Amino acid sequence: AQSVTQPDIHITVSEGASLELRCNYSYGATPYLFWYVQSPGQGLQLLLKYFSGDTLVQGIKGFEAEFKRSQSSFNLRKPSVHWSDAAEYFCAVGPYTGTASKLTFGTGTRLQVTL
Amino acid sequence: SQTIHQWPATLVQPVGSPLSLECTVEGTSNPNLYWYRQAAGRGLQLLFYSIGIDQISSEVPQNLSASRPQDRQFILSSKKLLLSDSGFYLCAWSVDSGIFTYNEQFFGPGTRLTVL
Repeated sequence: AQSVTQPDIHITVSEGASLELRCNYSYGATPYLFWYVQSPGQGLQLLLKYFSGDTLVQGIKGFEAEFKRSQSSFNLRKPSVHWSDAAEYFCAVGPYTGTASKLTFGTGTRLQVTL
Repeated sequence: SQTIHQWPATLVQPVGSPLSLECTVEGTSNPNLYWYRQAAGRGLQLLFYSIGIDQISSEVPQNLSASRPQDRQFILSSKKLLLSDSGFYLCAWSVDSGIFTYNEQFFGPGTRLTVL
């Protein structure tokens, strides 16, 4: 069965500093990978996705992620964090079932931004 | 454009009472629909998904059930709530492009359920 590990439960960075959130997955085939962001009490917003092709993918709000098959990782990065980036971030892997696009989520990383 | 609605936004229910949460999608036809539960510190867990009217698949054995009476309506229900049913319930949809096609999911605003 597929699984996703986000080893950092909570990260604090200063505004303007760079950010990297870690994500490791376990899946037997080529995965579909996603990063979502969730503000408190809200639904999830898709930041970016990897389906195939270029292993460096660009997303919204200045985020990017790199798929590394050899390390089973899909880390999220941002060169300069803004205070509005404070939220919870979820990595997810989407095993293809042939009928529905299901997702398995990590437990999330809460990002705090200090001014 | 497509939008997804969930209601109610918050709900407080006593143990043993029934539950009905509703999710509707606008602006698309024949979507795949999903129910997730988010418990504190545990990420999101897929509960049910549906690829069509009256076609429901359950991912986790539990006290809950789901129904899809109309193409763009997905309902999560329980006959008797347990304390452990408390959590944040999220509905999502994805485009149904048929076999061998994967599409990203779009999430609704969620329902916060507290069982006392």
